[in-house]
Amino acid sequence: EAGVAQSPRYKIIEKRQSVAFWCNPISGHATLYWYQQILGQGPKLLIQFQNNGVVDDSQLPKDRFSAERLKGVDSTLKIQPAKLEDSAVYLCASSPNVAGTEAFFGQGTRLTVV
Amino acid sequence: GQQVMQIPQYQHVQEGEDFTTYCNSSTTLSNIQWYKQRPGGHPVFLIQLVKSGEVKKQKRLTFQFGEAKKNSSLHITATQTTDVGTYFCAGPEKGSNYQLIWGAGTKLIIKP
Repeated sequence: EAGVAQSPRYKIIEKRQSVAFWCNPISGHATLYWYQQILGQGPKLLIQFQNNGVVDDSQLPKDRFSAERLKGVDSTLKIQPAKLEDSAVYLCASSPNVAGTEAFFGQGTRLTVV
Repeated sequence: GQQVMQIPQYQHVQEGEDFTTYCNSSTTLSNIQWYKQRPGGHPVFLIQLVKSGEVKKQKRLTFQFGEAKKNSSLHITATQTTDVGTYFCAGPEKGSNYQLIWGAGTKLIIKP
């Protein structure tokens, strides 16, 4: 069974630039999460999708972050414009039908904003 | 809102010593999940506990879920270098959406 795929693995951008991350969850998984993990901290949920609908985006900085999950499969997370404090690893994860069950993570995208 | 506290933040052990991390939630959890993240890696699911007072074992790892379903622990017996990493607990918040609330993690460091 293929795992959660993310790209790119690494990205370096200057502040005020834009960046986009892509995620393809495990086939058949209805729930998709985007997490931000700052070095030395636990994952912080940015947004949670159930199929193609948003069920929680309370911690997403909506003035600069956006995410979509078209057709309920793969997803993109965008930051525009980036700030220095956005430097982190962005993790995508997916779960089977029921949210709150085990999450399977992709390898993440390490973003450095300079 | 719900908070999950995890202690200690770091634990330095000699190889062969035991390791324990504790997780406490401000509210009752539907279940508790444990993940391991190796340095430079991503979180990997270890186990899920659902029942009050549940105890599960995976080789040298023992996981417990408290009677009130508000706390949990992970105990590793006779640590090995392969155990190095950060161990996170996470529990779904009761109510809407079952968002996973994560502890800050406990980093297991093996002393040279």
